Order: sequence, then structure tokens, then C-alpha cells
Amino acid sequence: DSGVTQTPKHLITATGQRVTLRCSPRSGDLSVYWYQQSLDQGLQFLIQYYNGEERAKGNILERFSAQQFPDLHSELNLSSLELGDSALYFCASSGIHNTGELFFGEGSRLTVL
Amino acid sequence: GNSVTQMEGPVTLSEEAFLTINCTYTATGYPSLFWYVQYPGEGLQLLLKATKADDKGSNKGFEATYRKETTSFHLEKGSVQVSDSAVYFCACTEGNDMRFGAGTRLTVKP
Repeated sequence: DSGVTQTPKHLITATGQRVTLRCSPRSGDLSVYWYQQSLDQGLQFLIQYYNGEERAKGNILERFSAQQFPDLHSELNLSSLELGDSALYFCASSGIHNTGELFFGEGSRLTVL
Repeated sequence: GNSVTQMEGPVTLSEEAFLTINCTYTATGYPSLFWYVQYPGEGLQLLLKATKADDKGSNKGFEATYRKETTSFHLEKGSVQVSDSAVYFCACTEGNDMRFGAGTRLTVKP
């Protein structure tokens, strides 16, 4: 158990819809990262937050947005969903002392029909 | 920014065979390098890491050496087991974000 919690584990929805994925980092970790894992594109970095502020941005679509709340949990919002958004979305957290190690949740599997 | 290129899979080996998964990185400075492993149905977890040139990371019989001259961090294991079947990701961090390779699926057959 990494200590990172993601909900929901599975989500099935239709094209054009909007969903929210939630992540609770390990206790005490200030950084939260979001990654998308799809079969054909591997693990893609989306965005990182540190103590509520956006720290780094990767290949995140404009239809996607994220935020980190004062209690340090984070949400990834995906809107106007397309079939190609079907993927496993991982959240990871890291501690104050930047050893570079990330702790991953078990992921949220999104299926867009 | 930094990037990672790793050997494409899938890789299928017999138990006790020697494993090498190649990984090369691109970075502007002095990144830290990692191998993560993802077992079926689970999130990624750190396997080993190296933070400076010539460092060797090792764990569970796996090893990788940080080679600055060849910008490589190849993963090796002398004798794989069925339980090593998983997807292996090479990763590189420099600053605030960590970039992963595409992953290499390893299947070990008895």
C-alpha cells in the first residue's frame, strides 16, 4: 500500500460527458502528480501541483484541468470526453525532501463509450 | 525538458534467463534516474534509483548503473523469476517533473 488513494477505481461514461477523478496523497506529501496511461502512448505526464500551486505542466489537454485543495487532495477534471480519453489515470505524490521517488495510487480506469 | 527512451517490448524470457532492458535519457543537466515496476492491476512502485554518474542502484536482484558518457541506465538481472513478470518503466527527473519511458512488458515463463 503506497498510501496514495484514488477514487473511483473504475468509471464508465459517454462521449461529451465530464468526470472528476480524486486523489489523496500520502500523509505529509505536498506534491501531487497526474499521469495518463494508455495502451498506445505509455505513461504521459499531465500536471504537477505543490502545496496548492501548479508546479509543472505536461501534455495536458485544454479539456482537462486539475487543482489541489488546502487539505492537499487533488482532483483531475476531464470534460467533453472523447473515446481516445479512455485510459488509466494515475496520481502520485512525493515528499518535502525531494528524493525524486514518487508514490503511486492504483489508478482510476476511465472508459468512454 | 528531459525525456527517456526505453527498449520496446514485449520481452519474453524463460525462468533463470538473463535480463537486460535498455534505457537512455536526454537531459540538460544532471538528472536522477529511476526504474519503476508495475505489477498487474497495481500502480507503479520504485524498483531502484541512482542520483549521480557511476552510481549503481540495486534491489531484488535488479541492477542499473548511471552512465553519463552514454546517457544510459540499463536494467539488468542475472536470473529472472516468474514473479518478475511486470511492466518496467525507466524514468528521469530534473527539477520538478518526472518523465517516464513507454514501459517494457516482461513475461517470464516457467
